[in-house]
Amino acid sequence: KAGVTQTPRYLIKTRGQQVTLSCSPISGHRSVSWYQQTPGQGLQFLFEYFSETQRNKGNFPGRFSGRQFSNSRSEMNVSTLELGDSALYLCASSLTFYRGGRMSTEAFFGQGTRLTVV
Amino acid sequence: ELKVEQNPLFLSMQEGKNYTIYCNYSTTSDRLYWYRQDPGKSLESLFVLLSNGAVKQEGRLMASLDTKARLSTLHITAAVHDLSATYFCAVALQKGDGNKLVFGAGTILRVKS
Repeated sequence: KAGVTQTPRYLIKTRGQQVTLSCSPISGHRSVSWYQQTPGQGLQFLFEYFSETQRNKGNFPGRFSGRQFSNSRSEMNVSTLELGDSALYLCASSLTFYRGGRMSTEAFFGQGTRLTVV
Repeated sequence: ELKVEQNPLFLSMQEGKNYTIYCNYSTTSDRLYWYRQDPGKSLESLFVLLSNGAVKQEGRLMASLDTKARLSTLHITAAVHDLSATYFCAVALQKGDGNKLVFGAGTILRVKS
């Protein structure tokens, strides 16, 4: 079974440019979440999409946006890049399951896109 | 606002020794996760803990959850070099918040031979 696929793996952009990152979730998973990982701030939640709708949003400026397509693939866009946007961006594909009568989810992460802003 | 604290943040241990990583969180949650991350790699799911008193074991790692104390532990038994990695706990916000996870800062584990 294929895992979560993120493209590209590495990107170098200049300040002020914009960038689009892509995430293909595990087949059958309808929820896709995005996280930013930096040495200073750690892992921070950006947003979650479920059935093409943004279901949850973290505390990031409006320069960070995303969308999800009907096939559950998701894209994340960052406009007017800043040096501080340099980070590893991780996409997580989630499945809801029931265990012992309780509902839960398990998130599977992609390899990430390492974005460097110069 | 949900806060998740891990300690220690760095752990250097000898092979064969035992140690415990602690994860405290500030508000009620019904789901707690442990992940492992190798340098330059993604997050690998280790354990999903759903209920008070839950205990999961895989090889030399054992995780437990005390929802009343808002505490989870990851116990390492007889450490081996291959366990060197960064370990994160993550807590899901209470029902209705979809799949938003709040992560701890991570514990860097170095096992010395």
